[in-house]
Amino acid sequence: AQSVTQLDSQVPVFEEAPVELRCNYSSSVSVYLFWYVQYPNQGLQLLLKYLSGSTLVKGINGFEAEFNKSQTSFHLRKPSVHISDTAEYFCAVTPSRGSSNTGKLIFGQGTTLQVKP
Amino acid sequence: DAGVTQSPTHLIKTRGQQVTLRCSPKSGHDTVSWYQQALGQGPQFIFQYYEEEERQRGNFPDRFSGHQFPNYSSELNVNALLLGDSALYLCASQRSGGGIGNQPQHFGDGTRLSIL
Repeated sequence: AQSVTQLDSQVPVFEEAPVELRCNYSSSVSVYLFWYVQYPNQGLQLLLKYLSGSTLVKGINGFEAEFNKSQTSFHLRKPSVHISDTAEYFCAVTPSRGSSNTGKLIFGQGTTLQVKP
Repeated sequence: DAGVTQSPTHLIKTRGQQVTLRCSPKSGHDTVSWYQQALGQGPQFIFQYYEEEERQRGNFPDRFSGHQFPNYSSELNVNALLLGDSALYLCASQRSGGGIGNQPQHFGDGTRLSIL
């Protein structure tokens, strides 16, 4: 079984400041990792994903994340945030191999990013 | 190119009633998954449909059932509604083949279900 823990429920930050949203996961099998963003009254939009290869992945809207296998972490970062980045962010995992690779996503509880002017 | 569309947007029901939610997948997608997102929580996987059959199921009671049609659209049915079923129900679609890594899920905007 897999589980995802997002270590911060809320992250307030000033505009143009850097931000890091933390995500740790637990799994007995290899996983793919994802970050999704959810704006108010909308569904989830994929920001980026890690499948294999380089541990630093770049996504949309200037976000990037680093996969750390030894620490089972996949933290999301942005060097300079904008007001429009205010949203809910979800980290998710799914098994990467075998019969479990059907696309069932296991999500964390979410982190609310509040960007202040 | 339309994305994933869900209907209705909002729905109010009372305890004990039954509800049907609908989802049309993104063009070219043949696999549909349903998630329940309670207020302030992350989405939880309900089940996935592929080739008109339930392929995988999460930890939800039998009151939750679904269907996939030949055109790949899908319905989520919930019987004997409970107050705890109040949530945002999200539909996600993907293209089969290559696994989720190469065919990520696209989400609709959801149906907000309120149980009184």
